[in-house]
Amino acid sequence: SAVISQKPSRDICQRGTSLTIQCQVDSQVTMMFWYRQQPGQSLTLIATANQGSEATYESGFVIDKFPISRPNLTFSTLTVSNMSPEDSSIYLCSVVLSGSNYEQYFGPGTRLTVT
Amino acid sequence: QQPVQSPQAVILREGEDAVINCSSSKALYSVHWYRQKHGEAPVFLMILLKGGEQKGHEKISASFNEKKQQSSLYLTASQLSYSGTYFCGTYGSGNTGKLIFGQGTTLQVKP
Repeated sequence: SAVISQKPSRDICQRGTSLTIQCQVDSQVTMMFWYRQQPGQSLTLIATANQGSEATYESGFVIDKFPISRPNLTFSTLTVSNMSPEDSSIYLCSVVLSGSNYEQYFGPGTRLTVT
Repeated sequence: QQPVQSPQAVILREGEDAVINCSSSKALYSVHWYRQKHGEAPVFLMILLKGGEQKGHEKISASFNEKKQQSSLYLTASQLSYSGTYFCGTYGSGNTGKLIFGQGTTLQVKP
């Protein structure tokens, strides 16, 4: 497995503002993903963070709202832009480690509350 | 297409067994199982890569029937630590690494 850290662990933000969440891994990874989990719900894939190129977004998620960067193999950021209360959720990064059978490991998550 | 899990919730006594099912309307390349405790991140349990393959993790095992497009997670002699929400994940298409998760099955083990 790997040690995956996320910052911040939680935040309370005002509507209309933006928050950038960081994800750092201590091992080289082949893939990084960002998920959202609303209270009591399953995990929904937001996008694949591609190193050195634009992220690949899933249906219902757009770059203007959730810009993602991945400058190297072990680090990625997700920004939640122009927030509304509907963005209140847990945001998790996940990674597939190099040399694994696509086993995916999750970071501890960032709990976001928008007021 | 989101895989469908059943049942939605299970309540057990310590030592009892449970089965959680995960089925898909699309062909499955693999099935991933996770457990999530309240307030924590999902924890990887196992991945099944081939049809009919069974894998084990402690007293938790799983099967994968590629033909029926379904997987089952077996929890034997449940312990209190098994409580949590179990998710199965499958790939939307191909072997992309992009997991689509089922809606989850909440398991509560009581003393």
